[in-house]
Amino acid sequence: GAGVSQSPSNKVTEKGKDVELRCDPISGHTALYWYRQSLGQGLEFLIYFQGNSAPDKSGLPSDRFSAERTGGSVSTLTIQRTQQEDSAVYLCASSLTTGTSGLNEQFFGPGTRLTVL
Amino acid sequence: AQSVTQLGSHVSVSEGALVLLRCNYSSSVPPYLFWYVQYPNQGLQLLLKYTSAATLVKGINGFEAEFKKSETSFHLTKPSAHMSDAAEYFCAVSSSNNNNDMRFGAGTRLTVKP
Repeated sequence: GAGVSQSPSNKVTEKGKDVELRCDPISGHTALYWYRQSLGQGLEFLIYFQGNSAPDKSGLPSDRFSAERTGGSVSTLTIQRTQQEDSAVYLCASSLTTGTSGLNEQFFGPGTRLTVL
Repeated sequence: AQSVTQLGSHVSVSEGALVLLRCNYSSSVPPYLFWYVQYPNQGLQLLLKYTSAATLVKGINGFEAEFKKSETSFHLTKPSAHMSDAAEYFCAVSSSNNNNDMRFGAGTRLTVKP
């Protein structure tokens, strides 16, 4: 079946504009994660969804960042009033909800490369 | 909270040589540990994972990693490097089997010389 998809693959925007990044998880995966990968740095956790709710928003860098998920499927990450330091690759991952069966692997999308001029 | 430290942002080896990528973790509870690989312009792909079963974990593409609690390490190795192994490698740690709190290291870029 299809993997995690993200759109757009590349986004160039001007400082101060708002951007929306989209993630389509693997069908049936109820958990969804957003990460940011900056040049020379590891993956920075942003936010996690279980279904449509976000139990952990602790990684969002500022109030300019927000995310939502509807229908337990597609998620959008919105960055308002973009700044140059927001330039990075934004990765989305999804996984099955864990029950008692043990560990669930996160499957990653190819990412959206955001460049803020 | 848990974290991982990857020693060496860049590692260069010759084709056929041993690959050793280092990862040390910090966790207040028994950890789950992972290695992911990211090929150029692609997403992350799981190489292997440690889930408190065998301490020596074998993954795809001939890679393996050994969990050493006494050293809080989970180093990744491959006996003989191939040109196709050139990529970025990320170590990650999670404290729960939900992976909600998975945290990644800064990554190690592996270069393989002919």
